[in-house]
Amino acid sequence: DTEVTQTPKHLVMGMTNKKSLKCEQHMGHRAMYWYKQKAKKPPELMFVYSYEKLSINESVPSRFSPECPNSSLLNLHLHALQPEDSALYLCASSRLAGVGGEQFFGPGTRLTVL
Amino acid sequence: KNEVEQSPQNLTAQEGEFITINCSYSVGISALHWLQQHPGGGIVSLFMLSSGKKKHGRLIATINIQEKHSSLHITASHPRDSAVYICAVMETSGSRLTFGEGTQLTVNP
Repeated sequence: DTEVTQTPKHLVMGMTNKKSLKCEQHMGHRAMYWYKQKAKKPPELMFVYSYEKLSINESVPSRFSPECPNSSLLNLHLHALQPEDSALYLCASSRLAGVGGEQFFGPGTRLTVL
Repeated sequence: KNEVEQSPQNLTAQEGEFITINCSYSVGISALHWLQQHPGGGIVSLFMLSSGKKKHGRLIATINIQEKHSSLHITASHPRDSAVYICAVMETSGSRLTFGEGTQLTVNP
């Protein structure tokens, strides 16, 4: 299984809602990533988990809250988002973080905040 | 100046043409990635390379470490190759990818 899966594919939420994005991989990778991508721009790194511990936090607003319950799963909890948070959210994984870490990307969740 | 620069930004080709996309970077790297992103979002890793040349089907990627330059070639291009191609580097000092702005390729039938 060489796939990273993400659910849901699309999400529309209001600014007062609480929702979660889910990411799963079964490749035995020990690093997982959340990226945010706006239209016609490259992905921006949000968080990196390495061995289930948060290793990089790119000063993302606290309305985004990552969680890595085990080595196969990575969640992104959303609360009180703003319309400017509308974007494609991509999850990725790699065997290891950093050097040698070819990243495998999921299909993304397209988020719209109303 | 961006650490990773791609050219061209946009490229339109006729089916069957040979295509080259270029990537230049200004930092020391441990690896360079070529990624493909179709409309709708999903990113596919095409190549990860740190030296020389790799080939997969009609795709060829080369890297010159001394010149800090990489190229992605597509032979016998096809409309299904239409996508955004992104160059990304893993810096030797870091643990994250630095992305180029991408090249939008359109192949017309």
